[in-house]
Amino acid sequence: GAGVSQSPRYKVAKRGQDVALRCDPISGHVSLFWYQQALGQGPEFLTYFQNEAQLDKSGLPSDRFFAERPEGSVSTLKIQRTQQEDSAVYLCASSRHTSGRAHPANTGELFFGEGSRLTVL
Amino acid sequence: AQTVTQSQPEMSVQEAETVTLSCTYDTSESDYYLFWYKQPPSRQMILVIRQEAYKQQNATENRFSVNFQKAAKSFSLKISDSQLGDAAMYFCAYRRTTSGTYKYIFGTGTRLKVLA
Repeated sequence: GAGVSQSPRYKVAKRGQDVALRCDPISGHVSLFWYQQALGQGPEFLTYFQNEAQLDKSGLPSDRFFAERPEGSVSTLKIQRTQQEDSAVYLCASSRHTSGRAHPANTGELFFGEGSRLTVL
Repeated sequence: AQTVTQSQPEMSVQEAETVTLSCTYDTSESDYYLFWYKQPPSRQMILVIRQEAYKQQNATENRFSVNFQKAAKSFSLKISDSQLGDAAMYFCAYRRTTSGTYKYIFGTGTRLKVLA
């Protein structure tokens, strides 16, 4: 697609419900990131995929958070048994390349989706 | 661990004037990228400008330029001839270029208001 697409844009969940947030990155982008952005704060890293491999999940706040990218394109972030502190905007971003500066077209630029705003009541 | 600090929660500038947003970072790496991203209200984050640490020349993109001071670990953004459309949250970000985790580390942001 032309840009990174996220759905749903808005999600209201009752505490204890499970939610799934979808990210469709730019076609051909190898790297995919999930970030959590609380109101008035900067994005906080959650997890990183290189194709289908989850190379870094150090930012996932608890074992209630799970992310996957089974075919190396679309990714899903799942939050089980949601809590009020999970309320935030979840941002997905993709990037064409992976490593350093080896590829001449690697600008290091991240392309972001519009985010999924989760409100847990 | 790398950190990015933006000490100005909010800044205001008159239309057509110049404003500078501050950013400092901490890293033990010698090679990395630095970025400024813009996040308009309820819209997606977009790249404003990027700087590669091994390049001494400061990056410029039209009305946007940076002052990169590697020894001081400072990376400020200057916006010249400010326009109403520049009003947004601005985030400074860091990413290492060497192998390992490629996560981008963001600051807490500076809200820029442009006054007509």
